Amino acid sequence: DSGVTQTPKHLITATGQRVTLRCSPRSGDLSVYWYQQSLDQGLQFLIQYYNGEERAKGNILERFSAQQFPDLHSELNLSSLELGDSALYFCASSVGLDRDTEAFFGQGTRLTVV
Amino acid sequence: QQPVQSPQAVILREGEDAVINCSSSKALYSVHWYRQKHGEAPVFLMILLKGGEQKGHEKISASFNEKKQQSSLYLTASQLSYSGTYFCGTPGSSYQLTFGKGTKLSVIP
Repeated sequence: DSGVTQTPKHLITATGQRVTLRCSPRSGDLSVYWYQQSLDQGLQFLIQYYNGEERAKGNILERFSAQQFPDLHSELNLSSLELGDSALYFCASSVGLDRDTEAFFGQGTRLTVV
Repeated sequence: QQPVQSPQAVILREGEDAVINCSSSKALYSVHWYRQKHGEAPVFLMILLKGGEQKGHEKISASFNEKKQQSSLYLTASQLSYSGTYFCGTPGSSYQLTFGKGTKLSVIP
């Protein structure tokens, strides 16, 4: 158990809908990262927050948004969903910002868009 | 930029050795290695830092050539539990990791 909690574990929704994925980082971790992993694909970095502020953006679509709340949990909002958005979405957290800081991943949310 | 991993896949028999390579087109200060089993979360293995420092898994060895911007993961005397997909990651400006496409390792009896 990494200490990072993601909910829900599975989500099935229809095209055009909007969903919210939730992530609770490890206790004490200030940095939260979101990654998307499509079938048999690698981990695509979406967005990073540090202590409530957005720090880095990757290949995140305009239909997607995220935020980190004062209690440090984070939510990833996906709207106008398309079939191609079906993927495993991982949240990871780390203590801070440093090149030698390891990240801990949650178990992921498997999103299926039908 | 995304680091490049090779090989894409490798099949080993138990007890055999393997090397997984990771290279980058940009200067690296560190390389991070993770292993992911099918349908599970990636798990941290180790970090290799500029200057030779390492942090992480004691039973796995790796190298980091700063000049060549390359890292290699050495898996010796492989066990069935080594099976999975190995990712290398390189930190960006805010230390977010950009991962390679992964190397799928299958260890068979």
